[in-house]
Amino acid sequence: EAGVAQSPRYKIIEKRQSVAFWCNPISGHATLYWYQQILGQGPKLLIQFQNNGVVDDSQLPKDRFSAERLKGVDSTLKIQPAKLEDSAVYLCASSLTAGVGLSEQYFGPGTRLTVT
Amino acid sequence: QQPVQSPQAVILREGEDAVINCSSSKALYSVHWYRQKHGEAPIFLMILLKGGEQKGHDKISASFNEKKQQSSLYLTASQLSYSGTYFCGTESAYTGNQFYFGTGTSLTVIP
Repeated sequence: EAGVAQSPRYKIIEKRQSVAFWCNPISGHATLYWYQQILGQGPKLLIQFQNNGVVDDSQLPKDRFSAERLKGVDSTLKIQPAKLEDSAVYLCASSLTAGVGLSEQYFGPGTRLTVT
Repeated sequence: QQPVQSPQAVILREGEDAVINCSSSKALYSVHWYRQKHGEAPIFLMILLKGGEQKGHDKISASFNEKKQQSSLYLTASQLSYSGTYFCGTESAYTGNQFYFGTGTSLTVIP
């Protein structure tokens, strides 16, 4: 089966510019996650979708970050405006489970964002 | 809410064993374990569910103490390919499947 797809793979922008990342999860996976991973740290959950709904966005900086999952499939994560501290790898993952008890997460290759 | 892992780093020789611990302050429904190699995405290793059910690779074992909100990952007869950073991930029991990765443990296996 096809894995989680992400694009772009790399992006370099200047601070105060905007950027958007796209994720296509594995077909049939109800749960989709966006993580921010700063070099040397573990992935930090930004937002978790279950089908169309948001399960958790408590760590999403809502003044500059936004995310949507259209029709419960593809998702986009946007940063507007970007700051230097947003430089990180943005990982998208998906999992099958829609109810209590998460199944394993499958990760995409990530997008490496550099803000200058 | 981020679970804490110990040790932060460990170096092993091939064939040696290691234990990685994960501790949460919240009541848990499940604990997941992932391994991430440098420059790559995390790869699933194991899930341990409240009640004792487990799902994962045959060569990896782990335990989950529900009362203490703790889990341990046991790596036996380590191989060079085991090198990487290990993360636990926890799903909370009461707050809608919220999921958080731990602080990470760097494992290096040397010949």
